Amino acid sequence: GAVVSQHPSWVICKSGTSVKIECRSLDFQATTMFWYRQFPKQSLMLMATSNEGSKATYEQGVEKDKFLINHASLTLSTLTVTSAHPEDSSFYICSAPLDPSGYGYTFGSGTRLTVV
Amino acid sequence: GENVEQHPSTLSVQEGDSAVIKCTYSDSASNYFPWYKQELGKRPQLIIDIRSNVGEKKDQRIAVTLNKTAKHFSLHITETQPEDSAVYFCAAVPPISGTYKYIFGTGTRLKVLA
Repeated sequence: GAVVSQHPSWVICKSGTSVKIECRSLDFQATTMFWYRQFPKQSLMLMATSNEGSKATYEQGVEKDKFLINHASLTLSTLTVTSAHPEDSSFYICSAPLDPSGYGYTFGSGTRLTVV
Repeated sequence: GENVEQHPSTLSVQEGDSAVIKCTYSDSASNYFPWYKQELGKRPQLIIDIRSNVGEKKDQRIAVTLNKTAKHFSLHITETQPEDSAVYFCAAVPPISGTYKYIFGTGTRLKVLA
């Protein structure tokens, strides 16, 4: 079935550095990618929606300059956490609609970011 | 905007018993309601979904019911097994400008006791 490949699965970085997370759609074209953040034992909070060829749409309260999203092609979307701080430590996960109707997401495997 | 509440936050059942998780939503325009299962450290997996034109859907031991009037939908798991232990998330999908953003509930941690 359709799969979203997400890398890296985990990363540890120092405060002040930037980290890039990639999500690639395999065997299907993802014109839209949703980026979520999940704190331990909490729900999935939508951060932003990326669309191939246009600017990402950010949810209220999400800093655009801190969480840079690029949707470079129909199969690749990236999230860059810039100038990371310990409070950015979290589980980041992407998802894409499986078809144009929007019904049915497939999720990436997630990236656990730890900022030290 | 849409808001989804999910209850209970934790649920423990004996193996073989049934488990029921309930979600309520606020936007009457929402028309799609998926349920996801997430095991520790893994990606959420779709287990069942229902669209607003259907009242009930069943897939083996799992069923979902939808009450559009009351704006709530429930996940029913029968004959629970230890491997059903996970966190379950419901979601409601309002048709906002065709983007189909999922609004997730807060999750239910289900523990099936052997």
